[in-house]
Amino acid sequence: QVQLQESGPGLVRPAETLSLTCTVSGGSLETYYWSWIRQSPGKTLEWIGSIYSSGSTIYNSSLKSRLTLTIDSSKSQFSLRLNSVTASDTAVYFCARNSGSGSYFFDVWGQGSLVTVSS
Amino acid sequence: EIVLTQSPDTLSLSPGERAILSCRASQSVSGYLVWYQQKPGQAPRLLIYDTYNRAAGIPARFTGSGSGTDYTLTISSLEPEDFAVYYCQQRNNWSFGPGTKVDIK
Repeated sequence: QVQLQESGPGLVRPAETLSLTCTVSGGSLETYYWSWIRQSPGKTLEWIGSIYSSGSTIYNSSLKSRLTLTIDSSKSQFSLRLNSVTASDTAVYFCARNSGSGSYFFDVWGQGSLVTVSS
Repeated sequence: EIVLTQSPDTLSLSPGERAILSCRASQSVSGYLVWYQQKPGQAPRLLIYDTYNRAAGIPARFTGSGSGTDYTLTISSLEPEDFAVYYCQQRNNWSFGPGTKVDIK
């Protein structure tokens, strides 16, 4: 079955760029949207953005100015870059596969990667 | 922008009891409502999509219902592994509710 695994630095300095990669195994990236979702400590889930296998993107409007999603089907990976981070970007970041009508829900998730923004 | 609210914040029940969780949207989500279960230190797990469809491998004790702005997740008889936080999510702007924690009484 499809499995997702996040990777990237666990500590990022304020004002720098947070970069994470999600590696997909057991399936193809084709014909799906792939997403990033984060969860601040003790808080609910926040959808960050999604990327289709073709490279088209949909971003959360609250993060759009700082966000870039990319996809590399040859490596079965998709990536997130969030620039100018602050302490409020500290969270567990999950990658996930979209599914359903309009690809609006998430049926396969990575285990999550804790990113702390601190000097 | 559609906002989801969930009630109660916490539900304290014993194994074997029925749990009824509510999710209310600020405007109709037309049935495009899903439920997830999350345990500490784990990723969310898809339970129910499109109001009432159980995801693969989800036991029949989990039932979703509702329409328009009001949706319910019912767990007919709580098993020890069901104590967790439950989130609803909708299609309009892919936002999540604040969650309901089901803990052991």
